[in-house]
Amino acid sequence: AQKVTQAQTEISVVEKEDVTLDCVYETRDTTYYLFWYKQPPSGELVFLIRRNSFDEQNEISGRYSWNFQKSTSSFNFTITASQVVDSAVYFCAHGDSGGSNYKLTFGKGTLLTVNP
Amino acid sequence: NAGVTQTPKFRILKIGQSMTLQCTQDMNHNYMYWYRQDPGMGLKLIYYSVGAGITDKGEVPNGYNVSRSTTEDFPLRLELAAPSQTSVYFCASSTQGGRTGNTIYFGEGSWLTVV
Repeated sequence: AQKVTQAQTEISVVEKEDVTLDCVYETRDTTYYLFWYKQPPSGELVFLIRRNSFDEQNEISGRYSWNFQKSTSSFNFTITASQVVDSAVYFCAHGDSGGSNYKLTFGKGTLLTVNP
Repeated sequence: NAGVTQTPKFRILKIGQSMTLQCTQDMNHNYMYWYRQDPGMGLKLIYYSVGAGITDKGEVPNGYNVSRSTTEDFPLRLELAAPSQTSVYFCASSTQGGRTGNTIYFGEGSWLTVV
C-alpha cells in the first residue's frame, strides 16, 4: 500500500526566510502522481501542484519550487522569501496510478507558521 | 465557478442521530470521494465512486454509507452518529482516474461535532 510521510509536524520561521517542507513516499507503482495541497486557517484545501512519476523535472512557480527525486522517493516543497500568508498546513499526497480506481493517500501534513 | 459544493458547513449532532452530508459538483467529473480529516492525522478516504451507480469503500468506511445516483451528487450518510465521527469531512472530485492522474478538487469542508 502507498504511504506518505511528512516528518515535520510543525515548522516556524520568520518572514522572508526560505523554508523546505519534506515529503517521502512509498509505493509499488511504477507510474504514479504526487501532489501538494495547502490548507489555510480557513480550512479549505487548495491544490498547488501535481507531478507525474515519469517527469523528474523540478518546477518553480513564483516563490514556490518543488524538488522531485525518484531515487530517494522524495518530493520536497520549498517556499522562498516566506510571507505571513504562507502560514497553513501543507499536505503531500500520492495518487494511485491506474486500474478502475484512483484515489489519493495523504501525509499527515506540516503546519507552517510564518511570523512577521 | 461552483466546483465542489458541500452542505452543511457546520453541524452538531447528538449521539445516535443520523444525518446526510450533501456534495455536488458541476464539473462533470466521473470520480467523487469523501475524506475525513482528524487533527494531526491528515485525510483518510471514507468512500469513493468511479461513476454513477458505482461506489466502493475506502480506508475508514465503518459507520457511513454513500450513494451515487447521478454524476453530480455524492451524499454521505451517517447512521447512529458516534463521538468518534467528530471530524472535518471533505468531498472531492476528479475527471478521470487511472493513467491520466487528474487532479482531485476539494469542497470547502463540513465540520461535524457529535456530542
